[in-house]
Amino acid sequence: SQKIEQNSEALNIQEGKTATLTCNYTNYSPAYLQWYRQDPGRGPVFLLLIRENEKEKRKERLKVTFDTTLKQSLFHITASQPADSATYLCALVRGRNAGNMLTFGGGTRLMVKP
Amino acid sequence: IAGITQAPTSQILAAGRRMTLRCTQDMRHNAMYWYRQDLGLGLRLIHYSNTAGTTGKGEVPDGYSVSRANTDDFPLTLASAVPSQTSVYFCASSDPLRTEAFFGQGTRLTVV
Repeated sequence: SQKIEQNSEALNIQEGKTATLTCNYTNYSPAYLQWYRQDPGRGPVFLLLIRENEKEKRKERLKVTFDTTLKQSLFHITASQPADSATYLCALVRGRNAGNMLTFGGGTRLMVKP
Repeated sequence: IAGITQAPTSQILAAGRRMTLRCTQDMRHNAMYWYRQDLGLGLRLIHYSNTAGTTGKGEVPDGYSVSRANTDDFPLTLASAVPSQTSVYFCASSDPLRTEAFFGQGTRLTVV
């Protein structure tokens, strides 16, 4: 069966450190992968997209890698701040032949301590 | 209206009652989605629509129906609510190239 797995345990790190979150998937051939941030009581907000032919994408303090051989994406937040505390979700889009459905992982909660 | 608007924000519903959750977007996006979010299970796709006039089933469609009469509106109907449908429901839309999905603020539904 198709699965998108994120570490369900919360990630606790100290302010200033780099946070690394993992997204693994099985039985998918995604056209691209997205990362979202979700704060309590709010809807997810888009952060970054990386395509299947890209290895790495950066945006300010955020970096995403995409390894289609390992079927894994890593999401990094450098110089983390308490304001980065939130749940981070990865999502896959399988492409036109699969109806372009956007499917999410379970999310990982990040806690950045001052 | 800016982005996606869902209504109501929250609702307590008696089991067996019919309920329609409303979703409206003003971005002229072709694709729209309904998800439910439950603790420990993440966001699960209920139904989707790639364009006005078409709909498709997602991962957990049973007990729900949708319609897409026009580009802007994508209502979700629970024909006869059951307690297992207690959840937070999110509507979303995305542009034609699916480069980014925009979410509403969610509807917290409690079926008692």
